[in-house]
Amino acid sequence: AQTVTQSQPEMSVQEAETVTLSCTYDTSESNYYLFWYKQPPSRQMILVIRQEAYKQQNATENRFSVNFQKAAKSFSLKISDSQLGDTAMYFCAFMSGNYGQNFVFGPGTRLSVLP
Amino acid sequence: NAGVMQNPRHLVRRRGQEARLRCSPMKGHSHVYWYRQLPEEGLKFMVYLQKENIIDESGMPKERFSAEFPKEGPSILRIQQVVRGDSAAYFCASSPLTGESSFYGYTFGSGTRLTVV
Repeated sequence: AQTVTQSQPEMSVQEAETVTLSCTYDTSESNYYLFWYKQPPSRQMILVIRQEAYKQQNATENRFSVNFQKAAKSFSLKISDSQLGDTAMYFCAFMSGNYGQNFVFGPGTRLSVLP
Repeated sequence: NAGVMQNPRHLVRRRGQEARLRCSPMKGHSHVYWYRQLPEEGLKFMVYLQKENIIDESGMPKERFSAEFPKEGPSILRIQQVVRGDSAAYFCASSPLTGESSFYGYTFGSGTRLTVV
């Protein structure tokens, strides 16, 4: 069974600074997908960024980028120029490429952006 | 496109009552997934349904929980004889297809917060 670990329960960052959230996962599969979701207090699950495991290039979406290290099974999220609206829970998630129709989520990191 | 609609947004039930949570998938989506989020935890997969079929219920508790996705109407997650431990946020998601295409269209609803008193 796949597992996703987020070792930082809480983090804080000053507005306009850069922060990196860690995620590691465990799987025996070679074909899979990784995601970061943001959950603000409204509870809505918002897709931040996704990465196909077969792609070596790290995904980037505006201020959000990932560092995908497949051999180390690591998938960290970097947020540049942090904004107050980035304050939320962030969940790392795994989906199997072979059998997957459902996500396996990590426990989350609570990020606070300080003014 | 209204997105994935879940109702009610909040639901309060007394111990022993039944809870019925509804999910209308996005237009054109025929796959529905239910997840449960306990306080301060990530979402945990419960069940995956297509129209009139349960495809994967490996995450569903063996007793008191059931799900359906009828030919017409929303998907329903039913919890019978609720207990305090059922208090959680329940999320529904939908997708249009299977395989790699599915996660490009995977969309979550805003969840139903169930409180058992």
